[in-house]
Amino acid sequence: DGGITQSPKYLFRKEGQNVTLSCEQNLNHDAMYWYRQDPGQGLRLIYYSQIVNDFQKGDIAEGYSVSREKKESFPLTVTSAQKNPTAFYLCASSPPGGWNQPQHFGDGTRLSIL
Amino acid sequence: AQKVTQAQTEISVVEKEDVTLDCVYETRDTTYYLFWYKQPPSGELVFLIRRNSFDEQNEISGRYSWNFQKSTSSFNFTITASQVVDSAVYFCALSEAGSNTGKLIFGQGTTLQVKP
Repeated sequence: DGGITQSPKYLFRKEGQNVTLSCEQNLNHDAMYWYRQDPGQGLRLIYYSQIVNDFQKGDIAEGYSVSREKKESFPLTVTSAQKNPTAFYLCASSPPGGWNQPQHFGDGTRLSIL
Repeated sequence: AQKVTQAQTEISVVEKEDVTLDCVYETRDTTYYLFWYKQPPSGELVFLIRRNSFDEQNEISGRYSWNFQKSTSSFNFTITASQVVDSAVYFCALSEAGSNTGKLIFGQGTTLQVKP
């Protein structure tokens, strides 16, 4: 079955530590996205990539970094500069056409501070 | 500025009741899409429907129906004869042609609890 796989499901970060969240898709989608979800809030866009080797900042990119070396992979690194990283992180992808296509989401990674 | 508002934070109903989830949006773009997603306790967002700005036809899919009214900038979602399995967080989202990024602007979500 095609889909998006996020790992790990739960992640704990120590102070001053960088952590990387994995996102892999086998849907052959060009575009991929990272969202952050805080309790009682909607999803906010962190980074997005419309093509391999290219990515753009979203609304809340500070303290995060990404790479897009392969079409199927879009890992997100939460750096020590992100002072409030506790949240639920969702990765998504969409087929060509972008803005008018529904995005497909992974199961999410819940990140907490130790 | 673009914005999506879901004024109902939480709704609780008893099984078999009908329930409507409200969504109001703001955009300067004349070409846009509206989406509804369901987020069950497992966490992933499940796509339910999309509607483009030029199609105001209401849509029905089983127990689900959607009412799109450009005059009031609303895209409301009704569940008829609700079931316990409908309990989830529901998000309304907007995507604008002008952004050309595929970026989705989400509302805050409405938590629906259906009690047996």
